[in-house]
Amino acid sequence: QKEVEQNSGPLSVPEGAIASLNCTYSDRGSQSFFWYRQYSGKSPELIMFIYSNGDKEDGRFTAQLNKASQYVSLLIRDSQPSDSATYLCAVKGGNQFYFGTGTSLTVIP
Amino acid sequence: DVKVTQSSRYLVKRTGEKVFLECVQDMDHENMFWYRQDPGLGLRLIYFSYDVKMKEKGDIPEGYSVSREKKERFSLILESASTNQTSMYLCASSFEGRNEKLFFGSGTQLSVL
Repeated sequence: QKEVEQNSGPLSVPEGAIASLNCTYSDRGSQSFFWYRQYSGKSPELIMFIYSNGDKEDGRFTAQLNKASQYVSLLIRDSQPSDSATYLCAVKGGNQFYFGTGTSLTVIP
Repeated sequence: DVKVTQSSRYLVKRTGEKVFLECVQDMDHENMFWYRQDPGLGLRLIYFSYDVKMKEKGDIPEGYSVSREKKERFSLILESASTNQTSMYLCASSFEGRNEKLFFGSGTQLSVL
């Protein structure tokens, strides 16, 4: 069974701070890595993807991948109350996607 | 924009009923998936399909079946609904390929009474 682990939280940060979300995975053959945001009662929405070691930035979001450590993270800069959601880490191996159980983030105004 | 459409947002059924959940995608994706999501358990894969008339069991196929008669449509069938099948059901689709992304429909919250 391919495992994807996330700290379930809840993670609370003040507005304007950096939120750091972490994910580890068990399968060294994993190819692609994704972050989804899920608001309560809604479906997951893709916000970031990363395929190579290093950092990838998109606006206030930065995804970081370290394949040697089997670790992927998501940084949210200048956190806003609208960022309050559950963040799901997903890892792709072959044609299948493996999900963590998500980290709940609350941004406090 | 990719569009994955699930036929119902909320559904209430009775124990023993046969339930059909429909999903249609408009991006010509080869791969389609059905997940259920429960608090504390995350997303669990029920069935997936790589091609028309093709299906593969996921992690929790018991009590479910699927149908993919056309490339754009993937249906999930609960043969005889039970209360433990009360859940959020999510359909998703993607292209074939190592870096292709997964896109979700809006979900169906199914309650079995």
